[in-house]
Amino acid sequence: GAGVSQSPSNKVTEKGKDVELRCDPISGHTALYWYRQSLGQGLEFLIYFQGNSAPDKSGLPSDRFSAERTGGSVSTLTIQRTQQEDSAVYLCASNRLMDTQYFGPGTRLTVL
Amino acid sequence: DQQVKQNSPSLSVQEGRISILNCDYTNSMFDYFLWYKKYPAEGPTFLISISSIKDKNEDGRFTVFLNKSAKHLSLHIVPSQPGDSAVYFCAASSYSGAGSYQLTFGKGTKLSVIP
Repeated sequence: GAGVSQSPSNKVTEKGKDVELRCDPISGHTALYWYRQSLGQGLEFLIYFQGNSAPDKSGLPSDRFSAERTGGSVSTLTIQRTQQEDSAVYLCASNRLMDTQYFGPGTRLTVL
Repeated sequence: DQQVKQNSPSLSVQEGRISILNCDYTNSMFDYFLWYKKYPAEGPTFLISISSIKDKNEDGRFTVFLNKSAKHLSLHIVPSQPGDSAVYFCAASSYSGAGSYQLTFGKGTKLSVIP
């Protein structure tokens, strides 16, 4: 079956602009995670959605970052007023509760 | 403060020999450990995992060892194959409330298997 998909695969933007990154999880997976990987770093947890519960936003680095998950499926990560330090690969993962997380290919964001 | 550490950024191994990738952690609340493999321009793919109640888990050429007292785990690949060349991430899981089992990742070790 289809895996986790993310779009766009690459995004180049200018400092100060807003960007939206999209994640389509595996069908039937109730949990969805966003991570980011900055250059030379490991994956950093950002936010977690589980069903209709309130999201775990403990990893969001600033209030410029927000995410939504509509209808328990597709998720959008929004970064407002992007900064150069936001440049990273943003990865989405999904799973059934307590199961292995399956990752998408990521969106490479470059902020000029 | 890094809770999951992979101190070797890279490792080169001859084809057919054993590859040993190491990982240390500091948070005693971690109860599940995973290894992910990542090729360029792809997302990480799950490789093997181990629960904190075990000290070894084997799956084909891949074995993960856990030493809880030392807060250390290692991934053994034997025999190593050129297709194993990738970045390997160690990850640890803990329950953070509201059903969230977020993963904490190390920085990764780039394995190169030389034919």
